[in-house]
Amino acid sequence: EAQVTQNPRYLITVTGKKLTVTCSQNMNHEYMSWYRQDPGLGLRQIYYSMNVEVTDKGDVPEGYKVSRKEKRNFPLILESPSPNQTSLYFCASSRPGQGGNEQYFGPGTRLTVT
Amino acid sequence: KQEVTQIPAALSVPEGENLVLNCSFTDSAIYNLQWFRQDPGKGLTSLLLIQSSQREQTSGRLNASLDKSSGRSTLYIAASQPGDSATYLCAVRRGDSSYKLIFGSGTRLLVRP
Repeated sequence: EAQVTQNPRYLITVTGKKLTVTCSQNMNHEYMSWYRQDPGLGLRQIYYSMNVEVTDKGDVPEGYKVSRKEKRNFPLILESPSPNQTSLYFCASSRPGQGGNEQYFGPGTRLTVT
Repeated sequence: KQEVTQIPAALSVPEGENLVLNCSFTDSAIYNLQWFRQDPGKGLTSLLLIQSSQREQTSGRLNASLDKSSGRSTLYIAASQPGDSATYLCAVRRGDSSYKLIFGSGTRLLVRP
């Protein structure tokens, strides 16, 4: 089954404790992206990647890092989480080029930073 | 700067009713527009994707239209069912290379049995 998976689905952590949220897709998509969803602010892009070793900042990159060492994986790293990073996080993937570029989203990771 | 607006923010209808959800965007230079469904606490499920050159797309009881010149899209749901209750989000992809989706704030739909 074609899908985007994220782990963990739920995470409660404390300020300053480094964490990684994993994202993996099995559709051989070149493009991957991270969004956060906050009440009243909607979904906002954090980082995106056009292919292996190619990443760029989205609208709200501060406090986050990403890497793209393999095509299928795009982990989101919070080096020193803060309470304002409490949010619902989504990973997405798509195949660039013709054919629609429909974006597929993972199930989300609910992060709470205390 | 592209802004996407969805009206109404919430909608409650009786089962069986046909309904229309609205999405408007300020910059007509879009690559495509995508409608999603989000159930509470869950991820986004893609419903329909309309390319900028298309006028509409259909999938089952769903029909989405796109009028780029006026900056509008509508999602038509025929014969609504309680299982259609969810938040519906529209998102536009800019016409540049970022592939970023710009989302509206969503319409929360409740279909009453």
